[in-house]
Amino acid sequence: NAGVTQTPKFQVLKTGQSMTLQCAQDMNHNSMYWYRQDPGMGLRLIYYSASEGTTDKGEVPNGYNVSRLNKREFSLRLESAAPSQTSVYFCASSERGAGNQPQHFGDGTRLSIL
Amino acid sequence: QKEVEQNSGPLSVPEGAIASLNCTYSDRGSQSFFWYRQYSGKSPELIMFIYSNGDKEDGRFTAQLNKASQYVSLLIRDSQPSDSATYLCAVNPNDYKLSFGAGTTVTVRA
Repeated sequence: NAGVTQTPKFQVLKTGQSMTLQCAQDMNHNSMYWYRQDPGMGLRLIYYSASEGTTDKGEVPNGYNVSRLNKREFSLRLESAAPSQTSVYFCASSERGAGNQPQHFGDGTRLSIL
Repeated sequence: QKEVEQNSGPLSVPEGAIASLNCTYSDRGSQSFFWYRQYSGKSPELIMFIYSNGDKEDGRFTAQLNKASQYVSLLIRDSQPSDSATYLCAVNPNDYKLSFGAGTTVTVRA
């Protein structure tokens, strides 16, 4: 009964390094999302995937790329990390578009860029 | 103007009292509204959703929606220390996107 699983839970990077955040869901959901959460700013959508094979930009996509590997997995890549990307990253999924379906969140990845 | 606005708090209420949280949104076409609870250091968890004008009750929680005023609220009755958390209002302005408010921090004092 895992729901949405994110790895890693914590990561420290140096400026300019790259890394990929992994997300997998076992609820057979069609739609998946990546958010970042910064103090006082709430959750901001980075990218989403409405269904397998599609991805779209959200509110703050610059500096990130995503891959919807299959129905279960949706990864977020930082090609050249910057201190401004220090944040908590949440992956979420929903049965279909966010319209009237609740989103279920993973436990988050706490990322620090030095 | 932010799409979703909430008072940041903190909102401090005594145990057993009613906590009232407010949220306003800018997109008049929004159709779905969600309340999430987030404990410190944890992920958001859904506690309520509402689609139609009026009230919706679930246990100690009541969501209220007024689309004409672009206003959604959450009432927590008989507040408990375990209700101490940040409450996020989320609004659906289009089919795939949720816009979140910055959250209201609630502290229930024993």
